[in-house]
Amino acid sequence: AQTIHQWPVAEIKAVGSPLSLGCTIKGKSSPNLYWYWQATGGTLQQLFYSITVGQVESVVQLNLSASRPKDDQFILSTEKLLLSHSGFYLCAWSPGQGGIAETLYFGSGTRLTVL
Amino acid sequence: QEKVQQSPESLIVPEGAMSSLNCTFSNSASQSIWWYQQHPGKGPEALISIFSNGNKKEGRLTVYLNRASLHVSLHIRDSQPSDSAVYLCAVSMASGGNYKPTFGKGTSLVVHP
Repeated sequence: AQTIHQWPVAEIKAVGSPLSLGCTIKGKSSPNLYWYWQATGGTLQQLFYSITVGQVESVVQLNLSASRPKDDQFILSTEKLLLSHSGFYLCAWSPGQGGIAETLYFGSGTRLTVL
Repeated sequence: QEKVQQSPESLIVPEGAMSSLNCTFSNSASQSIWWYQQHPGKGPEALISIFSNGNKKEGRLTVYLNRASLHVSLHIRDSQPSDSAVYLCAVSMASGGNYKPTFGKGTSLVVHP
């Protein structure tokens, strides 16, 4: 069975400080990987996606960056946090087989509070 | 760009009742609709999908899709307190690379004992 582990569970950070969030997917080779952001009361917004190691595409510009250093690992980071970065960050994977049956499997999320 | 609207925003039902949630979308060419369940502080979990007009039943869940009216509904029979969560409707075209469904804002369901 596939598992997705996301870390940390929560972060409280100061404006201007750096950030690194991560997730690891086990039990699935070459998944498509995604970072999503959910503002309080807002909709899920896709930030980045990756189809293969070393390749990441940005979907929304939020002064964040992402990397996929290994097949099963996805990292979200920034050098300088803004207040607007607060929210709930979710890592997700999909099988990448294409077609209409594709779906997302989410991690438990990281609650980020920027003060 | 696809627009997804969910109603009601919140729903309170007694244990054992039927819960009915609605979702409308804007693109008639959308091919895939998924419902996700999200408990507080957790990531969404895929519940049930529908791809063609009509209905689909899985356990206590039934989903209806009417492409002509761009409407999909989720019905939870015999609702339980453990069903209390936010339900998200996600609509997409067939995936061919980046799978990017459009999510609604969700319906918050509370089932009271």
